[in-house]
Amino acid sequence: AQSVTQLDSHVSVSEGTPVLLRCNYSSSYSPSLFWYVQHPNKGLQLLLKYTSAATLVKGINGFEAEFKKSETSFHLTKPSAHMSDAAEYFCVVSDWNNAGNMLTFGGGTRLMVKP
Amino acid sequence: NAGVTQTPKFQVLKTGQSMTLQCAQDMNHNSMYWYRQDPGMGLRLIYYSASEGTTDKGEVPNGYNVSRLNKREFSLRLESAAPSQTSVYFCASRDRASSGANVLTFGAGSRLTVL
Repeated sequence: AQSVTQLDSHVSVSEGTPVLLRCNYSSSYSPSLFWYVQHPNKGLQLLLKYTSAATLVKGINGFEAEFKKSETSFHLTKPSAHMSDAAEYFCVVSDWNNAGNMLTFGGGTRLMVKP
Repeated sequence: NAGVTQTPKFQVLKTGQSMTLQCAQDMNHNSMYWYRQDPGMGLRLIYYSASEGTTDKGEVPNGYNVSRLNKREFSLRLESAAPSQTSVYFCASRDRASSGANVLTFGAGSRLTVL
């Protein structure tokens, strides 16, 4: 069975300071890992994905994440927060199977950015 | 290119009423999904359809039924709504055959309130 734990339900940063959103996962197989972002009253949008290539993954809007197998972590970072980054972020793990349905979402982290 | 379209965006029901959430995608994707989103719980899979003509239960199927009408459309039905089904519902689709395998495209969501 797979699972995802997002360690912080809320994170607050000042504009221009670094962002760190933490995610730990468990998986029986070599997983694919994703970060999705949800802006208020919108659907979810893919930020980045890891699928067993480079362990440092770059996504849109300056975000990146590093896959650390030894720590079973996939933390999301950004060097400098912008007001438009305020949103909810979801870490997702996927074990491939024939039905392709095994996508497990973390509980989400709400990022607040202060001026 | 509309992507995934859900209707309605908002709905208020009384306990015991029935309704159907509609979802259509224009990306020729094989797989379609219905999730519900509740605070602090991320997204939980209700039902999915790996391909036209097939449907399977997800994590929280009780109280719901689905129909994969054709490759484009996947509807979610609440036969007798309960207050516990108050949630935001998201439809998603995925193209398993492409290099974007396991990447979901989401609709904008349907906010359902059951009184």
